[in-house]
Amino acid sequence: GAGVSQSPRYKVAKRGQDVALRCDPISGHVSLFWYQQALGQGPEFLTYFQNEAQLDKSGLPSDRFFAERPEGSVSTLKIQRTQQEDSAVYLCASSIRRAPIYNEQFFGPGTRLTVL
Amino acid sequence: AQSVTQPDIHITVSEGASLELRCNYSYGATPYLFWYVQSPGQGLQLLLKYFSGDTLVQGIKGFEAEFKRSQSSFNLRKPSVHWSDAAEYFCAVGTGANNLFFGTGTRLTVIP
Repeated sequence: GAGVSQSPRYKVAKRGQDVALRCDPISGHVSLFWYQQALGQGPEFLTYFQNEAQLDKSGLPSDRFFAERPEGSVSTLKIQRTQQEDSAVYLCASSIRRAPIYNEQFFGPGTRLTVL
Repeated sequence: AQSVTQPDIHITVSEGASLELRCNYSYGATPYLFWYVQSPGQGLQLLLKYFSGDTLVQGIKGFEAEFKRSQSSFNLRKPSVHWSDAAEYFCAVGTGANNLFFGTGTRLTVIP
């Protein structure tokens, strides 16, 4: 497709379950970002990849959150032992070059995670 | 530390009226500033950005924004609002690191 896609679009999990959220960036985009957007808030940075290298994971809220991008394209955000406070929309964005701030980030539609 | 403030949570304007959405930032150096729009079920879309140079920047969909260093502001404007402009608007600052810091957003309602 032409844009960033994310799957699933909606996910309901029981507290304690593990979830995996997928992001397909725009083909050829070097940079990939994950953001968390709580209800009524702006997106908050979670982690950044340049190709397959995770260069910044300073925004991950706990060690239950793990992200990977093994082949430098598709990325997966995994949340272990989900808690109710993990309920949010998880946004993925990609950017064409390695200096991402200077270039537009293209966002996917997000995955809405609800933890019961 | 950097921060972005959007003081208006919700704004309602009549179709055809002018619009100004406020954004104030806090950052020690010259920031990179962005406005994004988010429609229901859609991803964030970049409206415009400011890096340097002319402080009045033009964007898509007829939007513009003006960077005022003395006021630490980057307000978004549109001279005549269309019903399709109803959405959530986010101001963001990039600090030269890898990520963007977003404000909490302003929800725009357009009435006929």
